[in-house]
Amino acid sequence: SQKIEQNSEALNIQEGKTATLTCNYTNYSPAYLQWYRQDPGRGPVFLLLIRENEKEKRKERLKVTFDTTLKQSLFHITASQPADSATYLCALPLWGGYQKVTFGTGTKLQVIP
Amino acid sequence: DAEITQSPRHKITETGRQVTLACHQTWNHNNMFWYRQDLGHGLRLIHYSYGVQDTNKGEVSDGYSVSRSNTEDLPLTLESAASSQTSVYFCASSEDPSEKLFFGSGTQLSVL
Repeated sequence: SQKIEQNSEALNIQEGKTATLTCNYTNYSPAYLQWYRQDPGRGPVFLLLIRENEKEKRKERLKVTFDTTLKQSLFHITASQPADSATYLCALPLWGGYQKVTFGTGTKLQVIP
Repeated sequence: DAEITQSPRHKITETGRQVTLACHQTWNHNNMFWYRQDLGHGLRLIHYSYGVQDTNKGEVSDGYSVSRSNTEDLPLTLESAASSQTSVYFCASSEDPSEKLFFGSGTQLSVL
C-alpha cells in the first residue's frame, strides 16, 4: 500500500544554516507533492507545490525538489531563522484519487539562535 | 477576509454519545475535507465532499458521517463516540486540492 515517510526525529540546526527535510514515498508515482508548515495548536499552512514534471521549485528562502526516480522530495530552508521552527508536512494525492490528499507524519524543525 | 472556522475548539464527551463538529468556510470552495491527526499517524482523511449533496469516505471513515447541504458547511458526526476517536480534527477546503488546501484551526476531541 501507499506509504509516506518523513523523519520522525526532530531536526535541530543553527540559525543561518540551511535546513533540509526529506519526504520519501513508496508504491506510488504521485502527480504532485505539497509541503505545509504546522505550528503547535494550529492547522497546517500551505507552502509549496511541485508537480511530477518539475525538478525544483523555489519561493523566497524555500526550495523543493522532486526526484520521481528516487521517490523522494527534499525541502530546503536557507538562512534559517528561529521563526522557521515548526513541524513541516509533506502531502501527496491518495492512490486513485487526484483530488484527495494524504499527509506524512511531519518533521519537527528547531532553529537554534 | 475569507476563512475557514471550526467549532468547538475543545470538546470532552463520553463514550457512546453522538458528537457533531462544525466546519464553515467563506471561500465558496466546492471541495471540503475532514482529517484527524494523531501522533505517529499524521493527518488521515476521514470524509470529503466535492460539492453540495456529495459525500465520500476517506481512509478512516468507520464511525463517522458527514452531510453537505450547502457550499459553506461540512459537519462531521461521530455516531457513537469511542475512546479511539480521541484526536485532533481538522477541516480543510480548496478550490483545487491538487494546488493547495486551506485548514481550520482544529478541534481537540476527548472521549472519556
